[in-house]
This record gives sequence, C-alpha cells and structure tokens, in this order.
Amino acid sequence: GIQVEQSPPDLILQEGANSTLRCNFSDSVNNLQWFHQNPWGQLINLFYIPSGTKQNGRLSATTVATERYSLLYISSSQTTDSGVYFCAVIPNTGTASKLTFGTGTRLQVTL
Amino acid sequence: SAVISQKPSRDICQRGTSLTIQCQVDSQVTMMFWYRQQPGQSLTLIATANQGSEATYESGFVIDKFPISRPNLTFSTLTVSNMSPEDSSIYLCSGGQAHGYTFGSGTRLTVV
Repeated sequence: GIQVEQSPPDLILQEGANSTLRCNFSDSVNNLQWFHQNPWGQLINLFYIPSGTKQNGRLSATTVATERYSLLYISSSQTTDSGVYFCAVIPNTGTASKLTFGTGTRLQVTL
Repeated sequence: SAVISQKPSRDICQRGTSLTIQCQVDSQVTMMFWYRQQPGQSLTLIATANQGSEATYESGFVIDKFPISRPNLTFSTLTVSNMSPEDSSIYLCSGGQAHGYTFGSGTRLTVV
C-alpha cells in the first residue's frame, strides 16, 4: 500500500516563530488532507489539498502532486497550535476511498 | 463539511466487557470509517462501515472483535468486544465525501 512519511517527527517552537511541516507519499493521490489533533484528541480538518496552494489565516499548504509531497506552513505560531499534525491521502489507484495517515509531526509551541 | 457527533467521549471499562461507540452525522454521507489510535501512534483504519451490509475490515481486524453496524447513511456503531488492556486507545469515526472527510471527536477508552 501507499507509504506516507512526515517530517520532522517532533518540533519545538517559541511563540511567534514560523515552521514548515512536510509530507511525502509514495504513489499518486487524488485526495490529500492535513489535520490537527489537539491535546484532547480531537482531529480538526485543516485543508483538503490534492494539488496547488491554499491559505487559511496563519496556515497555508502546498501540494506538488507530480513530486509526491505536500507542505504545511504555520506562521506566527501560538501555543494553541500545539498538538500533532497529520497528513492523510487516498491513492489514485483502484476504487479505494479510505484515508491512509502519515506518521505525524508533534508540535509544541512554548511561551 | 459533515459534522459528526460521537459518544461516549471517554470510558473506563473492565477487561472482558464490551463497549459500543456511536456516531451520528448531520447529513447523509456516502462513506463512513472507523479508526483506532493507540497511544503515541498514528491512526489505523479498522473498517469501512457499509450501509445495509457487513463492514469491510482491514488486515488484522475481525468482525468478532469489532462488530460494526450502519443501518442508514447518517449513523454507525462500533463495538469493542471482550476487551483487554491492549484495546486502550482512542477510537474515531469518520465520514463524508472523498473531497474532504471529517472526524468525530473520538472516544478515549481505557481498559483496566
């Protein structure tokens, strides 16, 4: 099956700093989503971005489908950004409609 | 995007017992899924919940341990049967269309 690797696995930032999270996937995809899991375990959908660039406030994401990677940018980080960030994909093969999750990036934003 | 209500949010259960988790979606959705997240790990798909028929289980998951129902396009349940401490995890349901899935708030299960 498709492999989804995220980097870095862990990241500690001071409040106000910027960061870039990366997601590499091993096969072509027709769905890619970025999620934030807060400390209470709730999974929040950030972006649906199988290709191109999107922005939502301090967050933006870019997927280069031909090179099989996606980037999530967090600017001016806040303590509420802490948690785990996951990318998840659906491969562009067969009839599968289920998301495969990446390994995650654990972010801690300190004061 | 669909909004999914999941309950219970957490539970502590005795080994050997069963727990049923419910998910209600605010609109009809084509696909519903159940995931498990073990402590410190990523999400692993348990099964696809099929409306009106048996669920489709992923490798390593069986119907006797994780029976699933989906009587209509807005509701599904997952039962964790004959629980052991190794079943302590967060269980999440997901639904929507392929252009963007959303998740319930999760059930944090502790088996003692």
